[in-house]
Amino acid sequence: GENVEQHPSTLSVQEGDSAVIKCTYSDSASNYFPWYKQELGKRPQLIIDIRSNVGEKKDQRIAVTLNKTAKHFSLHITETQPEDSAVYFCAAGGYNKLIFGAGTRLAVHP
Amino acid sequence: NAGVTQTPKFQVLKTGQSMTLQCAQDMNHNSMYWYRQDPGMGLRLIYYSASEGTTDKGEVPNGYNVSRLNKREFSLRLESAAPSQTSVYFCASSESGTVGNQPQHFGDGTRLSIL
Repeated sequence: GENVEQHPSTLSVQEGDSAVIKCTYSDSASNYFPWYKQELGKRPQLIIDIRSNVGEKKDQRIAVTLNKTAKHFSLHITETQPEDSAVYFCAAGGYNKLIFGAGTRLAVHP
Repeated sequence: NAGVTQTPKFQVLKTGQSMTLQCAQDMNHNSMYWYRQDPGMGLRLIYYSASEGTTDKGEVPNGYNVSRLNKREFSLRLESAAPSQTSVYFCASSESGTVGNQPQHFGDGTRLSIL
């Protein structure tokens, strides 16, 4: 069946460094790619999303890139801060399903 | 504006007991979803309701039933709880009837333990 692979599973960076999380998807019909941030014990919250007709999208320190040919997309966080520490989930969606990756635990050390 | 509200927040059950998880949204969304979250496995869709009056199975529906009571409310029922159903359950909603290509808004989750 369709799946989404997410790497790395854990990521540790120093405050101010950049962080990159990568996802690959298997369903070529996928056309919507959201990213969610989940702090410990909290709900997943949408931080950015991209659709298949766009190659890159930025929102302040966060950017997402999409390569439809290779079926992979990435989240880039620049100038990381301790409050960026959380679990990040990617997902790939089409008409009737949204498949989530297993998550990346990001730790930003002061 | 509360968004998506789930009750209860925590629950402990014994094997074989039944219970219903409640979810309500106040954003006038058409679609609602139930997910379970297990360590290292991300979010897996149990059931969804694309619009009032319809429900469909997701990736892991066995052992669960759902009811879309009205546009606001979508409940998840465990008829005979099993230890394998110990998980965190999230309800979500989205504006339109297409499941996979709209932003989904999540509730705070229900932490369910089955002994």
